[in-house]
Amino acid sequence: DSGVTQTPKHLITATGQRVTLRCSPRSGDLSVYWYQQSLDQGLQFLIQYYNGEERAKGNILERFSAQQFPDLHSELNLSSLELGDSALYFCASSARTSGGSDTQYFGPGTRLTVL
Amino acid sequence: AQSVTQLGSHVSVSEGALVLLRCNYSSSVPPYLFWYVQYPNQGLQLLLKYTSAATLVKGINDFEAEFKKSETSFHLTKPSAHMSDAAEYFCAVSEASWGGGSNYKLTFGKGTLLTVNP
Repeated sequence: DSGVTQTPKHLITATGQRVTLRCSPRSGDLSVYWYQQSLDQGLQFLIQYYNGEERAKGNILERFSAQQFPDLHSELNLSSLELGDSALYFCASSARTSGGSDTQYFGPGTRLTVL
Repeated sequence: AQSVTQLGSHVSVSEGALVLLRCNYSSSVPPYLFWYVQYPNQGLQLLLKYTSAATLVKGINDFEAEFKKSETSFHLTKPSAHMSDAAEYFCAVSEASWGGGSNYKLTFGKGTLLTVNP
């Protein structure tokens, strides 16, 4: 158990709909990352938040948005869903240390199926 | 931009045999490198990471990896495969997502599915 929790575990919805994925980082971790895993694209970085602020964006579509709340949990909002958005969405968290690289701890993921 | 290439999308070994999973990276700066494992229907679990302290890195479950700068490689090995090692393995390189900070985003390879035969 990594200490990162994600809800829901599975989500089935229809095209055009909007969904919200939730992530709670490990206790004390300030950074939250979102990744998308799909068969054709593999694992791709979407967006990072640090202590409530957006820090970096990767291959995130404009239909997608995220935020990190004061209690440090994060939500990924996906709107106008398309069939191609079906994927496994992972959240990861890391602490901040001075120097060196932090380990990112991954949650179990949310499997999104768009029908 | 940094990138990772994992040679072989599928590797099959016999139980007790050596496991070798290959990873080559591209980076303009000294990299931080990671190996993660993903069991079916689960998240990613860190096996080991290289952060420039030592070129031979030991991880969990007897896995280890050697950083070779001249070959830009970070291959993962295990002396003796166990049935429980069957999973997908991902090599990743980190890239600073904001200047000077210690928070990084990961760029992953395509993954290597390891099958262990009895």
